Amino acid sequence: DAGVTQSPTHLIKTRGQQVTLRCSPKSGHDTVSWYQQALGQGPQFIFQYYEEEERQRGNFPDRFSGHQFPNYSSELNVNALLLGDSALYLCASSLWQGNEKLFFGSGTQLSVL
Amino acid sequence: AQSVSQHNHHVILSEAASLELGCNYSYGGTVNLFWYVQYPGQHLQLLLKYFSGDPLVKGIKGFEAEFIKSKFSFNLRKPSVQWSDTAEYFCAVTQNRDDKIIFGKGTRLHILP
Repeated sequence: DAGVTQSPTHLIKTRGQQVTLRCSPKSGHDTVSWYQQALGQGPQFIFQYYEEEERQRGNFPDRFSGHQFPNYSSELNVNALLLGDSALYLCASSLWQGNEKLFFGSGTQLSVL
Repeated sequence: AQSVSQHNHHVILSEAASLELGCNYSYGGTVNLFWYVQYPGQHLQLLLKYFSGDPLVKGIKGFEAEFIKSKFSFNLRKPSVQWSDTAEYFCAVTQNRDDKIIFGKGTRLHILP
């Protein structure tokens, strides 16, 4: 039973570029949430997707956008990268309205130079 | 807005010592509370959770936490720590099963063998 998988594991970009991160949820899960974890901080909620729609959004600018596909996998896109976007990006999956059983991936480490 | 405060950023203990990690949240309504753990090189995983019922919650690996509503606290405890408990611990809160989860900044626990 595959857990939550994220790709790539590491990524280096320069300021102003765009990046796409990918996530495959745990088998049987239909809801994907994305979190940003800066160095020395806890994960911060970016947004959540269910039925291919953004259901909730945290305090992140419009440069952060996402998508969910019919197979429940998801992408996180960040445009016009800033140095401050350097962080570990975590994907978590669950059943809808089931955040008591949230499973996290190992994350994508994004470095913006 | 909800927030979570973890009092200790870095804790160092010897094996067999007792552990208590503090966590306070700021929200006056009904809350659901979590402790997550991230072992070195691994993904975030759920340690224990409180949704309702007995305020003393038991989790995996001998950990427990007590929800004290009057103090807005959900402290994590373990009577005797092991070297393998070295990890980062995150307290988290949410209002509902379909709501975003808000994390604290984490506490790095280092157990000396």
